[in-house]
Amino acid sequence: DIQMTQSPSSLSASVGDRVTITCRASQIISSYLNWYQQKPGEAPKLLIYSASSLQSGVPSRFSGSGSGTDFTLTISSLQLEDFAAYYCQQSYTTPRTFGQGTRLEIK
Amino acid sequence: QVQLQQWGAGLLKPSETLSLNCAVYGGSFSDYYWSWIRQPPGKGLEWIGEINHGGSINNNPSLRGRVTMSADTSKNQFSLRLSSVTAADTAVYYCARGRVDCSDIGCYVSWFDPWAQGTLVTVSS
Repeated sequence: DIQMTQSPSSLSASVGDRVTITCRASQIISSYLNWYQQKPGEAPKLLIYSASSLQSGVPSRFSGSGSGTDFTLTISSLQLEDFAAYYCQQSYTTPRTFGQGTRLEIK
Repeated sequence: QVQLQQWGAGLLKPSETLSLNCAVYGGSFSDYYWSWIRQPPGKGLEWIGEINHGGSINNNPSLRGRVTMSADTSKNQFSLRLSSVTAADTAVYYCARGRVDCSDIGCYVSWFDPWAQGTLVTVSS
């Protein structure tokens, strides 16, 4: 199985901050990488697909980059509604695997 | 706009079989894979498996043959059964639509969107 490792596991930040979350795959997955946001009590929501493509309806302050094994999700200017958990997921092969998650908290 | 709605029993005893259903409203049923993903309380996401309209299935080997999935194209519904449950199977179970893309690695499920609201399944004696 491809292991997905996110860092950090948790992060405290303030409204207006620029935040970067990292995801590393245990083997090369090209750009087959997606990012999801999950708020408490809700289902995950797709933010970024294919490493860098913004899902329709997602604010442009979210961006993704990377290829191969190393990927990043960046939020350019945090808004109150962005405090949530974020997960990366590889779609290169089965079993499809997720990172352990990054919890973004208000400082 | 496509919506998924799921339902099923929320409380099971050890050794029983988990059974969940998911209905798809709007959009095509045949152009996607239909997936199940679970999340133990306070933990991360685990992919269970996926099925398409023709019955082609991909499963997570970690569940060691306990998973059965089916799809009913006449109702635009798909189902999950997980046998011999234990406390370790306690989780919120989600159904989701899996987009299919094709590239140099073949055709594959690229991402999950949208997701249903989730069902908390608790296994307890």
